[in-house]
Amino acid sequence: GQQVMQIPQYQHVQEGEDFTTYCNSSTTLSNIQWYKQRPGGHPVFLIQLVKSGEVKKQKRLTFQFGEAKKNSSLHITATQTTDVGTYFCAGAGAGSYQLTFGKGTKLSVIP
Amino acid sequence: EPEVTQTPSHQVTQMGQEVILRCVPISNHLYFYWYRQILGQKVEFLVSFYNNEISEKSEIFDDQFSVERPDGSNFTLKIRSTKLEDSAMYFCASTNGRGGSTDTQYFGPGTRLTVL
Repeated sequence: GQQVMQIPQYQHVQEGEDFTTYCNSSTTLSNIQWYKQRPGGHPVFLIQLVKSGEVKKQKRLTFQFGEAKKNSSLHITATQTTDVGTYFCAGAGAGSYQLTFGKGTKLSVIP
Repeated sequence: EPEVTQTPSHQVTQMGQEVILRCVPISNHLYFYWYRQILGQKVEFLVSFYNNEISEKSEIFDDQFSVERPDGSNFTLKIRSTKLEDSAMYFCASTNGRGGSTDTQYFGPGTRLTVL
């Protein structure tokens, strides 16, 4: 079945440093979604990428979808303490509503 | 902003007992989902539901599990004869279904199930 790998598992950064998490699927995806989960909270939708090579920005967050639609990345510029949480990518195969989540990258920001 | 709601927030049960987890999806949404997240691990898809029937399910969703939409608002997950390894956070999600697989899934706050 479809597998989604995500690295790194943990990332500790100083406030102000950049952060990147990478996601790789074993199969071609129809779309990839990114979620943020604060400690003790539920996944909150951040963004969705659909097109090959797509790049989207949300303030300090930049999301990319690979040309082959099998990998994706989330980059945060100049991290802040409010960025703390676990970032999950989740991919859907063609014609499927089933989201396969990566294991997530837990971001800690040291003030 | 409309939200998915779930009850209870925390459920403690004895091994072997049945539990029912309840969700109220966003009112105009058509597709409903259950996910689970074992503590410290990734979110895992269990089942999707549309038009009063299961549309997809994962290997985790075996005969122990069932889903139902008993009325126009609730969407339930029943776990028969709970096991210790069923202890997890269970999330309900819904989408409006207009975008197909590219729909945004809105997650509820989750029910923490503890099996003793």
